[in-house]
Amino acid sequence: AQTVTQSQPEMSVQEAETVTLSCTYDTSESDYYLFWYKQPPSRQMILVIRQEAYKQQNATENRFSVNFQKAAKSFSLKISDSQLGDAAMYFCAYRIYSGYALNFGKGTSLLVTP
Amino acid sequence: DTEVTQTPKHLVMGMTNKKSLKCEQHMGHRAMYWYKQKAKKPPELMFVYSYEKLSINESVPSRFSPECPNSSLLNLHLHALQPEDSALYLCASSPRGSGGSDTQYFGPGTRLTVL
Repeated sequence: AQTVTQSQPEMSVQEAETVTLSCTYDTSESDYYLFWYKQPPSRQMILVIRQEAYKQQNATENRFSVNFQKAAKSFSLKISDSQLGDAAMYFCAYRIYSGYALNFGKGTSLLVTP
Repeated sequence: DTEVTQTPKHLVMGMTNKKSLKCEQHMGHRAMYWYKQKAKKPPELMFVYSYEKLSINESVPSRFSPECPNSSLLNLHLHALQPEDSALYLCASSPRGSGGSDTQYFGPGTRLTVL
């Protein structure tokens, strides 16, 4: 079974600062995908960033980047120049290459203060 | 355009009612999903339709009945629900369903309350 662990239930960051959310996962698969989703109070799950396990290069989307350490099974999300609109619950998720199901971590609630 | 729409946004129903949740996407995606999300918890997969065939049914009680009339529409029929079924029901779609870099895009959800 694959498990995803987010060890930080809550994080806080000041506007314009940088914050890193951690995620570790456990799998015996070699081909898989990792995702970060954001769920603001409006409830909609929004894809933030995606990483293919076979790619060594870390994915980047504007202010969002990941630090993917395959050997350590670690997939952290860095948010640079934090904005008030970044406040949300952030879920790390895993999917095997041939599978349908997203396995989610328990989430990290990010608070952004002015 | 990565829009998945869901109706209604909110639904309150009694335990003897029959109601339906609707999900729609016009992105040409061939896989659609229902997730259930309890408060302060991650989403849990309920059903997957791939190419309009039910591919995954994660041991969901029969009081939940999915239907996929065509590749753009996904319904969830509800009957004789229990108060513990109160949750946010999320629909998602993805281009292919499985394999490769298939990414799921979520709708805004339906907040269901069972009295």
